[in-house]
Amino acid sequence: AQSVTQLDSQVPVFEEAPVELRCNYSSSVSVYLFWYVQYPNQGLQLLLKYLSGSTLVKGINGFEAEFNKSQTSFHLRKPSVHISDTAEYFCAVTGFGNEKLTFGTGTRLTIIP
Amino acid sequence: ETGVTQSPTHLIKTRGQQVTLRCSSQSGHNTVSWYQQALGQGPQFIFQYYREEENGRGNFPPRFSGLQFPNYSSELNVNALELDDSALYLCASSLVPSSYNEQFFGPGTRLTVL
Repeated sequence: AQSVTQLDSQVPVFEEAPVELRCNYSSSVSVYLFWYVQYPNQGLQLLLKYLSGSTLVKGINGFEAEFNKSQTSFHLRKPSVHISDTAEYFCAVTGFGNEKLTFGTGTRLTIIP
Repeated sequence: ETGVTQSPTHLIKTRGQQVTLRCSSQSGHNTVSWYQQALGQGPQFIFQYYREEENGRGNFPPRFSGLQFPNYSSELNVNALELDDSALYLCASSLVPSSYNEQFFGPGTRLTVL
């Protein structure tokens, strides 16, 4: 079984400042990790995913995340945020042979002009 | 290429009623998963269908049931609705059921149970 913890329910950030959204996971098997974004009144869109290989993963809209096995973390970062990044961000985990995604409770990113 | 579509967009039901939600998967995708997203929470896995058979289920009671049709579209049925069933129901499709395959989500159906 897997679980995901997103410690920050809300993160306010000034426009053009950097941001880090934290995600920690637990799993008894090898994991695949994902970050999804949900804009208001929309479904989820995949930002990036870690399956294997390089621990630094680059995604869409300038986001990147780093897989850290020893700290069981997969934090999401962006060096400079824009108003359009205002959304809910979800970290999700699954394991080899597991058909379901387990999501965290989400982090609401608010960009301050 | 058409994305994942869901109908209806919104639905209001009363406790004890039954509801059917519909999902059309993305072209070429044979796997559909359903998730429940309560207000302020992350999505929770209900079940997955692959080639018209259930391929895994989360911790939801039997009154949550589903179907997948030969064209890979899917239905989620909920019987004996309870107030706690109020949520956004998301459908996601993928090429195959492998855990590392990207799931493409629809916009969801907002269900309100009064």
